[in-house]
Amino acid sequence: GENVEQHPSTLSVQEGDSAVIKCTYSDSASNYFPWYKQELGKRPQLIIDIRSNVGEKKDQRIAVTLNKTAKHFSLHITETQPEDSAVYFCAATPSGGSYIPTFGRGTSLIVHP
Amino acid sequence: DTEVTQTPKHLVMGMTNKKSLKCEQHMGHRAMYWYKQKAKKPPELMFVYSYEKLSINESVPSRFSPECPNSSLLNLHLHALQPEDSALYLCASSQGVGGDEQYFGPGTRLTVT
Repeated sequence: GENVEQHPSTLSVQEGDSAVIKCTYSDSASNYFPWYKQELGKRPQLIIDIRSNVGEKKDQRIAVTLNKTAKHFSLHITETQPEDSAVYFCAATPSGGSYIPTFGRGTSLIVHP
Repeated sequence: DTEVTQTPKHLVMGMTNKKSLKCEQHMGHRAMYWYKQKAKKPPELMFVYSYEKLSINESVPSRFSPECPNSSLLNLHLHALQPEDSALYLCASSQGVGGDEQYFGPGTRLTVT
């Protein structure tokens, strides 16, 4: 089955700095990679996703890059704000089999004002 | 309507009680999911329904019993739970099963005493 590694587990930055979270996956058949933000006590919310036919996708301060050959993808947040503080989960979804996403273990991002 | 709703928001139950969690979506999604989530951990898949049929059961103990009465509703029946079952129970839905965005409900915070 799929195995997703996510690093770092905790990331502390100053407001205005950039933050990068990295994930690697094992199943070359995975073709859909969502990123979720989960604030304390709330639901996971999709913030950006990328499919395997695209190398990069950007939405305002958030971008995701995908390297299919190396089987890794990354979340980039620029000009971080205190409201970006949350736990971020990456996931990899296979194109066959169960089609169920496998989640990374999460990164707790803390943005200090 | 792009929301998944869940009731109740909070539930406290004893180990001999029987209770049910409810989930509803009106997005026409044909796949619905139950996840269990412990604090600062990723969601852990329990069950998947595809076109109202149970397609995946991730070896969940029989004290958890899912039910899909129709394409918009998903229930999780609880009986004889253990304190370690205390967690946030998340429902999610997607257009289909296979690389589609999952929409999560707000969750039910369950405490077993």
